[in-house]
Formats: sequence, structure tokens, C-alpha cells
Amino acid sequence: ETGVTQSPTHLIKTRGQQVTLRCSSQSGHNTVSWYQQALGQGPQFIFQYYREEENGRGNFPPRFSGLQFPNYSSELNVNALELDDSALYLCASSWVDSEDEQFFGPGTRLTVL
Amino acid sequence: QKEVEQDPGPLSVPEGAIVSLNCTYSNSAFQYFMWYRQYSRKGPELLMYTYSSGNKEDGRFTAQVDKSSKYISLFIRDSQPSDSATYLCAMIKAAGNKLTFGGGTRVLVKP
Repeated sequence: ETGVTQSPTHLIKTRGQQVTLRCSSQSGHNTVSWYQQALGQGPQFIFQYYREEENGRGNFPPRFSGLQFPNYSSELNVNALELDDSALYLCASSWVDSEDEQFFGPGTRLTVL
Repeated sequence: QKEVEQDPGPLSVPEGAIVSLNCTYSNSAFQYFMWYRQYSRKGPELLMYTYSSGNKEDGRFTAQVDKSSKYISLFIRDSQPSDSATYLCAMIKAAGNKLTFGGGTRVLVKP
């Protein structure tokens, strides 16, 4: 059983640029959730994907968008980067409607200059 | 006001002491409660998962839930330096829903 993997590990962008982060869910999981964790804070829910459709969204603007692929892997895209987007972006996979835990990946650390 | 409140710490204890962590929440719709451990620059790792009010024990860890008071706790017995990390409480309203996290408490266990 492989765990959740994310790429890249870290990256640096400048304001106004666009970024794509990638996540491979744990084997057997069909739901992917993305979270943003600013330094010194708890993770904040961005959105969740199930069957390639958005299945819930947190309080994030439309410039945060995502995709889920048939193999359940996922992308998070952020357009028009702002300084406040600097954070650790976490991906978590789970089985839809399951009481089981959400398994987190190691995260991608994004720095916006 | 945040839905889930957690003292940020840091909480410094000597090795072998009991670590006591807690969170309060405002929304009675939360049904499932978790505690995650997060080492620096790593993803959160689930420690404890509870549903009903009461205590749940797993090794050195004990989780308590008091739904009537909207209060959850995590106790770590015989703390070790390897327990030094940030501890996040989290909760969900229904299975499969988004996790709502507290802000995390930094814990430092000194040898």
C-alpha cells in the first residue's frame, strides 16, 4: 500500500504567477482534499474532489482551482499568486463517506515573493 | 470567533511528564474528533480518532471527548523527546466531510 505523495516538495514563485501542485492519493482511495496551512496555523480546507468533480469548497477565491483524474490523482492550481498564498499545501486522500481517516501527504511548501 | 480554539503554546515539559492538550469548539454539529501530530515541515499524522463522548486509550495516548461542554483533550503519558511536535485537534460534522482544525499546540519535551 503506497501512501499519499505530493510534488514538488517546495517551490518559489513571484506575485502574479501561476502554480500547479500535484498529489497522488493512497491506493484504494477515491477522494482527495486539499488544505492550506500558513506558518504557525492549522490547515484550512480548500476543496475536495470525488469522481473528478468538486465535492465541497472552503472559503477560497476562484483563482484556486483543482482537478481530479480517473486514477484519483489530483492537481491544485493557483492563479495570480499573492504574497499571502505562501504556505504549506497539503493533500489528503480518503474513501468517500467513510468514517476512516484522511491520510495526508508531506505537503508542498510554496513561497511567493 | 473560530469554530475550533486551541492554545498555541509552546508547552514545554520534562521527559516523563504527562502532556495535557485541549481544544474547545462552538458548533454542536461536529461529530467526529481527531488528534494529529505534525513534525516540522511534514504532513499531519493521525494519532487518535473518536466519535462518542468519553475516553479512548491507545498506548501512551488518551483522548477525551465531552460533547456537552464542547471540549476535547489529549493526554500523553511518559512523554519522550520524540513527542516534540505540533499537535492539531480536528473535527468533522459527518463522515467524509472536510476537517476543521484548531491552530495547533507546539509541544517540547526536554530530556
